[in-house]
Amino acid sequence: QKEVEQNSGPLSVPEGAIASLNCTYSDRGSQSFFWYRQYSGKSPELIMSIYSNGDKEDGRFTAQLNKASQYVSLLIRDSQPSDSATYLCAAPGDSNYQLIWGAGTKLIIKP
Amino acid sequence: GAVVSQHPSRVICKSGTSVKIECRSLDFQATTMFWYRQFPKKSLMLMATSNEGSKATYEQGVEKDKFLINHASLTLSTLTVTSAHPEDSSFYICSARGAASNQPQHFGDGTRLSIL
Repeated sequence: QKEVEQNSGPLSVPEGAIASLNCTYSDRGSQSFFWYRQYSGKSPELIMSIYSNGDKEDGRFTAQLNKASQYVSLLIRDSQPSDSATYLCAAPGDSNYQLIWGAGTKLIIKP
Repeated sequence: GAVVSQHPSRVICKSGTSVKIECRSLDFQATTMFWYRQFPKKSLMLMATSNEGSKATYEQGVEKDKFLINHASLTLSTLTVTSAHPEDSSFYICSARGAASNQPQHFGDGTRLSIL
């Protein structure tokens, strides 16, 4: 059974600091990983995709993938109160293009 | 790109009513669509996966006669909650992806269903 694990939080970070969100996965053969942001009462929206070892940057967001250690992380620089949300990590499932979802980490940015 | 439209956004109806929710991919061909439900402060729960032109695959514990899924074209999937009861009240969210490998899922805005 493939698994994706995240600390549910909440993770509290002061405004302007770097928020670091972590995720581990069980399937060593997984090739693609996704970070989604979900505001309360809304549906998830895709933030980042990462497929290769190393860092991938997009604006204030950086995704990091370490396949040897089987973890993927998301860094948010210059955190803003609007970044307060639940962040979901996902990796491919067993079949039919399904994704295995982490439970999500609730991030709170304090002004 | 990769826009998914879901309607309606909110439904309030009486017990026993059947409710149809539509999910459309607006700018890409969605070979696979997914239906999730989510209770307050809980994780996404996959209900079923549908591929265009074939029967949906339901997750364990999801009644296929209760939740009818049709994926008749590469841009449209529908979920019908038949004879809805108060316990069916939830946030229903669809997602879609294209055929290429390693593609993410793109989500609709969700439908908040309240059964009185």
